[in-house]
Amino acid sequence: QKEVEQNSGPLSVPEGAIASLNCTYSDRVSQSFFWYRQYSGKSPELIMSIYSNGDKEDGRFTAQLNKASQYVSLLIRDSQPSDSATYLCAAQGRGSTLGRLYFGRGTQLTVWP
Amino acid sequence: GAVVSQHPSWVICKSGTSVKIECRSLDFQATTMFWYRQFPKQSLMLMATSNEGSKATYEQGVEKDKFLINHASLTLSTLTVTSAHPEDSSFYICSAGDRGNYGYTFGSGTRLTVV
Repeated sequence: QKEVEQNSGPLSVPEGAIASLNCTYSDRVSQSFFWYRQYSGKSPELIMSIYSNGDKEDGRFTAQLNKASQYVSLLIRDSQPSDSATYLCAAQGRGSTLGRLYFGRGTQLTVWP
Repeated sequence: GAVVSQHPSWVICKSGTSVKIECRSLDFQATTMFWYRQFPKQSLMLMATSNEGSKATYEQGVEKDKFLINHASLTLSTLTVTSAHPEDSSFYICSAGDRGNYGYTFGSGTRLTVV
């Protein structure tokens, strides 16, 4: 199993809907997780980080972490066309790999008007 | 917040030549920098981790003699692609971190095209 897996997508939702993005992780990563947004041709931009079990809200974004099931998700409420991008889930390494990030393959989100 | 500057943003070079990409932390000291490569429609692939004042640690399959990394100061790391070939054409992105920031600030990326 890879350290971080994102198997869903591409995802297409209408404007105003909730977009739900998911990723799972293995025991080879620590308990620090990040969601990045990457527009085509641009570098990733950090939008959320989460370290504790439960939900963390920031504006229209909610990150959810479930350590028992080893998954982390990102909900985007009131989705806008400007949210159309690839969303990357990342986890921090542990032990000898502490400090580096492991990335999922990304989920491409399209929000149509 | 932490700012990482990366230059150039794009470069076209001839096959066989070398290209240097710079990554600078503008408002913090970056003890660790990470270099990634991203091919179209694919996720980020970590190439190497460099710590200031020491040799870079390369990921498996990345040629250290081809991708030279120098991290001589706490604010600057460089990646030199030596003897570039068309298959080296890619999007190269750096990320810098200090002791409290585990490499989650990215530079703007460099689009390398080798012709």
